[in-house]
Amino acid sequence: GAGVSQTPSNKVTEKGKYVELRCDPISGHTALYWYRQSLGQGPEFLIYFQGTGAADDSGLPNDRFFAVRPEGSVSTLKIQRTERGDSAVYLCASSSPPFETQYFGPGTRLLVL
Amino acid sequence: GENVEQHPSTLSVQEGDNSIINCAYSNSASDYFIWYKQESGKGPQFIIDIRSNMDKRQGQRVTVLLNKTVKHLSLQIAATQPGDSAVYFCAELNTGNQFYFGTGTSLTVIP
Repeated sequence: GAGVSQTPSNKVTEKGKYVELRCDPISGHTALYWYRQSLGQGPEFLIYFQGTGAADDSGLPNDRFFAVRPEGSVSTLKIQRTERGDSAVYLCASSSPPFETQYFGPGTRLLVL
Repeated sequence: GENVEQHPSTLSVQEGDNSIINCAYSNSASDYFIWYKQESGKGPQFIIDIRSNMDKRQGQRVTVLLNKTVKHLSLQIAATQPGDSAVYFCAELNTGNQFYFGTGTSLTVIP
């Protein structure tokens, strides 16, 4: 079956711009997670959805970051007023039930110039 | 906060030899651990997991050992193959239901 997909695979933007990153989880997975991975580091938790609601957004670094999952399937991570420090790989994962094995997508490589 | 230390940061092994990667975690209440393999340009791929009620679990050519007393986790890869070359991460599920990842071990298999 299809795994987790993420689009775009690469995104280059200018400082101050707004970006949206999309995640399509595995069909039927109720839990969805966003992580950020900087070069040479492990993934860092950003936010977790159970169904449509953000069950835990404590990992979001500041209020420029926001994520939605309006229908309990596809999720969008939104970054406002991007900064160069936001450059990283943004990973999405899904699981069912939550807190079990997470299946990761290939990530979106964001570069803020 | 949570701390997951992974070592070595890089590991080179001869094809056919065994590989061992280690993780030390700080939260004694963590009860679920996963090992992931990440190839260049891809997302992490699940290898094997273990819960705190076990001290050993085996998969195909991989074994995970958990020592809760010293808060230590290891991944052993038997008969390492060139296709095993990747970065490996351990991850722990903490009491806040967040996964914390180690800093990774870059494994290179020499043919």
